[in-house]
Amino acid sequence: AQSVSQHNHHVILSEAASLELGCNYSYGGTVNLFWYVQYPGQHLQLLLKYFSGDPLVKGIKGFEAEFIKSKFSFNLRKPSVQWSDTAEYFCAVNGIQGGKLIFGQGTELSVKP
Amino acid sequence: KAGVTQTPRYLIKTRGQQVTLSCSPISGHRSVSWYQQTPGQGLQFLFEYFSETQRNKGNFPGRFSGRQFSNSRSEMNVSTLELGDSALYLCASQDGAGANYGYTFGSGTRLTVV
Repeated sequence: AQSVSQHNHHVILSEAASLELGCNYSYGGTVNLFWYVQYPGQHLQLLLKYFSGDPLVKGIKGFEAEFIKSKFSFNLRKPSVQWSDTAEYFCAVNGIQGGKLIFGQGTELSVKP
Repeated sequence: KAGVTQTPRYLIKTRGQQVTLSCSPISGHRSVSWYQQTPGQGLQFLFEYFSETQRNKGNFPGRFSGRQFSNSRSEMNVSTLELGDSALYLCASQDGAGANYGYTFGSGTRLTVV
């Protein structure tokens, strides 16, 4: 079955701490991978996406993610978080034909000033 | 350019009623997808339309339906509303028919069923 698993439900960090949010997927075939962020009261925004090529993907606001095919993982990282990074983060996958996105359950990140 | 526009932003309906939600994609985008977001189930795919044709459908009952018009605007209809239909309904638009395009989400319509 196609699924996405995000390891952490809620992560609490202090400002300047490093962040890594885990994402593993189960999907038959070649995939496209996405990380979306939802700030409080706002809509989903695309942080970064992987379609092909370099498995280390850089996104907006200093975020990056690494696609490790052998581990079916696409973890999100940021070297130093800010209070403004407080939000919910969603990992998503779809097949190379496009179509529906399968989302993980989301990870709520709280950054303490 | 303008983003994905969903109307209305908020709705309160009574059980048994029906509701229609609207989504206007980014100008030039021909693909529109709908998702339901709830605290318990997370984000779940409802359906996807491209050039007025439904290309994919999620695992929702037949009470959930949609359509897309020639100008790419899409509507979603839920009939015989149940309490469990209370959710944030999100629309996403996409540049084209293939996979290598970004999905842009609207702000959603928050539906409350009482």
